[in-house]
Amino acid sequence: TQLLEQSPQFLSIQEGENLTVYCNSSSVFSSLQWYRQEPGEGPVLLVTVVTGGEVKKLKRLTFQFGDARKDSSLHITAAQPGDTGLYLCASLGGGSNYKLTFGKGTLLTVNP
Amino acid sequence: DTEVTQTPKHLVMGMTNKKSLKCEQHMGHRAMYWYKQKAKKPPELMFVYSYEKLSINESVPSRFSPECPNSSLLNLHLHALQPEDSALYLCASSQATIAGGSDGELFFGEGSRLTVL
Repeated sequence: TQLLEQSPQFLSIQEGENLTVYCNSSSVFSSLQWYRQEPGEGPVLLVTVVTGGEVKKLKRLTFQFGDARKDSSLHITAAQPGDTGLYLCASLGGGSNYKLTFGKGTLLTVNP
Repeated sequence: DTEVTQTPKHLVMGMTNKKSLKCEQHMGHRAMYWYKQKAKKPPELMFVYSYEKLSINESVPSRFSPECPNSSLLNLHLHALQPEDSALYLCASSQATIAGGSDGELFFGEGSRLTVL
């Protein structure tokens, strides 16, 4: 089973600050997804990265996939209170092409 | 707005009750999932249905019984639950690939928050 290590687990920052969340594995990812879950909601897919070295941008969010496809990062610029939520990286694996393995998540709080 | 609809949003039940959670999607996805999520933790996979057949059961206790009546609907029947089963139950769907499996991009419902007294 591919284990995803996500860090930090908790992050509390002020509005306007920048932050980075990391997702690492000892195995190569075929692809990696980032989800955000707001309080009281289900997770929502933000992005899928597939190619080593890939960089994707979604407004103030920048996603990077490591060259070796074993790590990924999510960088948020000028965080806003609306960015508050649980950020989850995920990848297919665990012995089945249907099983999505999640990292432990990063609980982000952006204070106004 | 999520395209995966779950009902009810909240459910309180006693340990002797029988209840059901329902999930519906109209995106033409042929893979559907039940996840269980405790507070501030990632979702844990319970069941996967692929083309209306049970594909994965993650050793879930028999007091949880899934059902997939058709390609758009997924139910989770609950009976004789324990207080530790209180959690957010998430339904999700995804494309099923020709090669067999998912593309990893899951669409989640808003969840059913279950409290077992």
